[in-house]
Amino acid sequence: DTAVSQTPKYLVTQMGNDKSIKCEQNLGHDTMYWYKQDSKKFLKIMFSYNNKELIINETVPNRFSPKSPDKAHLNLHINSLELGDSAVYFCASSHLSYEQYFGPGTRLTVT
Amino acid sequence: ELKVEQNPLFLSMQEGKNYTIYCNYSTTSDRLYWYRQDPGKSLESLFVLLSNGAVKQEGRLMASLDTKARLSTLHITAAVHDLSATYFCAVDEANNLFFGTGTRLTVIP
Repeated sequence: DTAVSQTPKYLVTQMGNDKSIKCEQNLGHDTMYWYKQDSKKFLKIMFSYNNKELIINETVPNRFSPKSPDKAHLNLHINSLELGDSAVYFCASSHLSYEQYFGPGTRLTVT
Repeated sequence: ELKVEQNPLFLSMQEGKNYTIYCNYSTTSDRLYWYRQDPGKSLESLFVLLSNGAVKQEGRLMASLDTKARLSTLHITAAVHDLSATYFCAVDEANNLFFGTGTRLTVIP
């Protein structure tokens, strides 16, 4: 049973394209997150959603937009991809303010 | 801006030895997490520390939290090769995790 799943696992695309990464959790959690891990392995929060409402929006480019169709899903849309967007993107979820469970990650490579 | 600093960044140690990883942070949060990440893998939750003085142990790993000193430690006892991984501490500030830089641990047989 996969708790937090992401698709795709790998994504290779060209600069200027628009892409989406999907995330689903079957834990019944009420909050979902997106993190970016750069080439130096540094992890940084991008967004979090609680009951379909954006509650944290870090200083990320507005080319990135989270979309949550329901409590179990938080998708990440990226417009006009740039080379610097290459990274591993992790989705996570939590119940209230308890520990976060992470998905397997999506490795995005922009060429 | 909240800062979370881990040291060392890289740690190479022989099997059977003991060592401690340190995590210093700049906020007054009393919620701190330790995660393990294997190469190419996701983050695995190791410890959840939710109050000052909290101490948790699992196998050869023990984590502690001193909120007054804004310091958490991850102690490794009698290291084995299977512990080789990158370890992250993360401070919870308003349900938002701020990660340390990570400590890449290599245990040498």
